[in-house]
Amino acid sequence: KQEVTQIPAALSVPEGENLVLNCSFTDSAIYNLQWFRQDPGKGLTSLLLIQSSQREQTSGRLNASLDKSSGRSTLYIAASQPGDSATYLCAVMKDTGFQKLVFGTGTRLLVSP
Amino acid sequence: DAMVIQNPRYQVTQFGKPVTLSCSQTLNHNVMYWYQQKSSQAPKLLFHYYDKDFNNEADTPDNFQSRRPNTSFCFLDIRSPGLGDAAMYLCATSKGSGRRAWELFFGSGTQLSVL
Repeated sequence: KQEVTQIPAALSVPEGENLVLNCSFTDSAIYNLQWFRQDPGKGLTSLLLIQSSQREQTSGRLNASLDKSSGRSTLYIAASQPGDSATYLCAVMKDTGFQKLVFGTGTRLLVSP
Repeated sequence: DAMVIQNPRYQVTQFGKPVTLSCSQTLNHNVMYWYQQKSSQAPKLLFHYYDKDFNNEADTPDNFQSRRPNTSFCFLDIRSPGLGDAAMYLCATSKGSGRRAWELFFGSGTQLSVL
């Protein structure tokens, strides 16, 4: 059974810092990995999708990497801003059967001015 | 903009009183999902439709049902809500074929309270 873990559970940084969020998964047979952002009481916004054949994806100040063999992904946020404050969730999709997303419990990020 | 829309944003119901949550999409995606997310927990898949083909997760209680009358709409019915069903309910879609077939797009969610 696939399990997804995100560490740390919460992170507080001053504005302008570069930071890394970690995601690990127990079964390396994945089809893709997706990073989401969730603001309090809101739905999920897709940030980056990494296919299993890819090593990284970039969007603006965000960069996500994937190392399937070690079961790890990182989300790098450059020059953090207060508007980046949210919970960040990673989710993996297995590569057999129905492609179902399994989520981690997220990292709650607070960027202070 | 193409999107996934959930109504209502907040729903309050009474213990045992049936409730229906709705989801619509303008993305013309084949797959629609319902997730349940309790406070500080990961979203949990309840069921999904691939076109008209309904797929229930093994641990989804019978109290939860779903309908998809057409490509654009999907409904979540909770027949007899209990206090433990209070949660955020998230609808999502994916193309299901072609490039980026399994990238999920979520609605803004419906926060359900049970009194």
